[in-house]
Amino acid sequence: DQQVKQNSPSLSVQEGRISILNCDYTNSMFDYFLWYKKYPAEGPTFLISISSIKDKNEDGRFTVFLNKSAKHLSLHIVPSQPGDSAVYFCAASPSGNTGKLIFGQGTTLQVKP
Amino acid sequence: SAVISQKPSRDICQRGTSLTIQCQVDSQVTMMFWYRQQPGQSLTLIATANQGSEATYESGFVIDKFPISRPNLTFSTLTVSNMSPEDSSIYLCSVGHVGGQPQHFGDGTRLSIL
Repeated sequence: DQQVKQNSPSLSVQEGRISILNCDYTNSMFDYFLWYKKYPAEGPTFLISISSIKDKNEDGRFTVFLNKSAKHLSLHIVPSQPGDSAVYFCAASPSGNTGKLIFGQGTTLQVKP
Repeated sequence: SAVISQKPSRDICQRGTSLTIQCQVDSQVTMMFWYRQQPGQSLTLIATANQGSEATYESGFVIDKFPISRPNLTFSTLTVSNMSPEDSSIYLCSVGHVGGQPQHFGDGTRLSIL
């Protein structure tokens, strides 16, 4: 049972344009949602997070939107840069202070110069 | 954020053998976790490493196969026991705190079993 889903395995955008990565979840009992970026041969790097009581969080070029009624979140990258090319993972933190994360399958983003 | 060192970074092992992966953090952390990323798959939590007590394993993972130690707040080990080709994965250590703070990951151990 995949509780966190990223239905697009890959995305290709032109440098300077917007990248939109999507994530859906099935469990209403998540406290936080997070986005990680992963380069080959490296561990995931934290990008941005959002609390379940918010609907938007912005940090520089990265904005995460949360739609609780649709159980959907998205990561917007504006403007996209070639260095953003990586695998992006959506993750959710269940309530209960366990600290653990449930990850989606990942979306490979390619930003073309 | 904490600096996390994992050793070894990669290894090739024979089936039936065991390998211990080390995770060292440069500061004391509340929580340490071990994840597995099988080829082409997402990250799956194996267990939470508890300081001074037995690890808490997720469904599908057992202590006999993945024994974990955490003797203090900066160090943990994961052993992959009696390895088979299906254990070929990237194993990742992460550290974090409760309350929605993000986890930070080591660079992982890429394990191949022949």
